[in-house]
Amino acid sequence: GAVVSQHPSRVICKSGTSVKIECRSLDFQATTMFWYRQFPKKSLMLMATSNEGSKATYEQGVEKDKFLINHASLTLSTLTVTSAHPEDSSFYICSARDPFRGAGGPLEQFFGPGTRLTVL
Amino acid sequence: AQSVAQPEDQVNVAEGNPLTVKCTYSVSGNPYLFWYVQYPNRGLQFLLKYITGDNLVKGSYGFEAEFNKSQTSFHLKKPSALVSDSALYFCAVRERNNDMRFGAGTRLTVKP
Repeated sequence: GAVVSQHPSRVICKSGTSVKIECRSLDFQATTMFWYRQFPKKSLMLMATSNEGSKATYEQGVEKDKFLINHASLTLSTLTVTSAHPEDSSFYICSARDPFRGAGGPLEQFFGPGTRLTVL
Repeated sequence: AQSVAQPEDQVNVAEGNPLTVKCTYSVSGNPYLFWYVQYPNRGLQFLLKYITGDNLVKGSYGFEAEFNKSQTSFHLKKPSALVSDSALYFCAVRERNNDMRFGAGTRLTVKP
């Protein structure tokens, strides 16, 4: 299947700093990428959908000025957590949609391994 | 209203026994239903999907799921569980706007 990577896999930062997480589709071009947040023992919460070359669409309740998403190319989307606070600590997972393949059909999402963010 | 529900937080089975992880959905029209598995500190891996056709869907690692329209369910099953099947399982439904909505997840523990 298609491969999606995330970097870093784990990051610890001080409160008030900004952290950038990268999501890359390694062997396909992803016109659409998704960012999820997973709380401990909780499900994935969709934060935003990003389409290459246009502004991200944020879910209700997600602060777009705090969680900056950039999808500048067909293989890279970035999530920047600005002025991070301890409550932003979470597991962030991205996914990318490959319109041409996937056992789940043309709309299947391929997930990255996730990034564990800890804000002290 | 929640689109997909997994009523069990935890399922425990003995190795070699059959397992079932439950999922119900509540979307209108014909649902697109998925099962994903997540191992510790990893992303989600696709297991199987139901789009149309046979109600019994076979997927990866010997898993299968049965779509039941009258009960609005899509339970995940495996005839003989392995210890390595222990993981977090998510049911998901694709909504009309193509967003994926995930259930809360069910932690499966298979004991030797």
